[in-house]
Amino acid sequence: ETAVFQTPNYHVTQVGNEVSFNCKQTLGHDTMYWYKQDSKKLLKIMFSYNNKQLIVNETVPRRFSPQSSDKAHLNLRIKSVEPEDSAVYLCASSLQGWNSDYTFGSGTRLLVI
Amino acid sequence: AQSVTQPDARVTVSEGASLQLRCKYSYSATPYLFWYVQYPRQGLQLLLKYYSGDPVVQGVNSFEAEFSKSNSSFHLQKASVHWSDSAVYFCALSMGYKLTFGTGTSLLVDP
Repeated sequence: ETAVFQTPNYHVTQVGNEVSFNCKQTLGHDTMYWYKQDSKKLLKIMFSYNNKQLIVNETVPRRFSPQSSDKAHLNLRIKSVEPEDSAVYLCASSLQGWNSDYTFGSGTRLLVI
Repeated sequence: AQSVTQPDARVTVSEGASLQLRCKYSYSATPYLFWYVQYPRQGLQLLLKYYSGDPVVQGVNSFEAEFSKSNSSFHLQKASVHWSDSAVYFCALSMGYKLTFGTGTSLLVDP
């Protein structure tokens, strides 16, 4: 099956902990993304990588850091989570980066208590 | 500034009725426009896209959208909705290496 796979589906953690989310795509795409979707369903891009190179880095807190080992994987680490980090984190990929349509994973729901 | 506006946060229609979800964009260059749908507890799925050519584009599940440069709009339409169309619909504008989304329209189809 070709798609974008995210793990875990759901994660609960306490304020101050570190978390990592994994994303893998089996579509052969060159570009991958992380989006944050808040409780009002608003979608904001966080990062995008093209062939393991960071090309978009929106204004996100420094505790967020993307990690890409190859063009099929893009993980997201959050050091010392805060309550406002509670959201759904959506990973996506596209064949090319420029003006392409995206394929999304099913998301990782993070709850910070 | 480039932006996407979906003026209707919620839309309710009866099953079998026609549907239009509105989307307005602001972009100085040629727009690449998309409609995505999100079902509960799922990621986003592409419904249709417009790059150029015929301003009426067909998508999955009998959805279509009409691009209007003069009105800066890209409205989504369906002739007859089904209860399973209940979901959140997002209009999006591609600006190079990032996709900017509207705030979404939550569609409820009454059975």
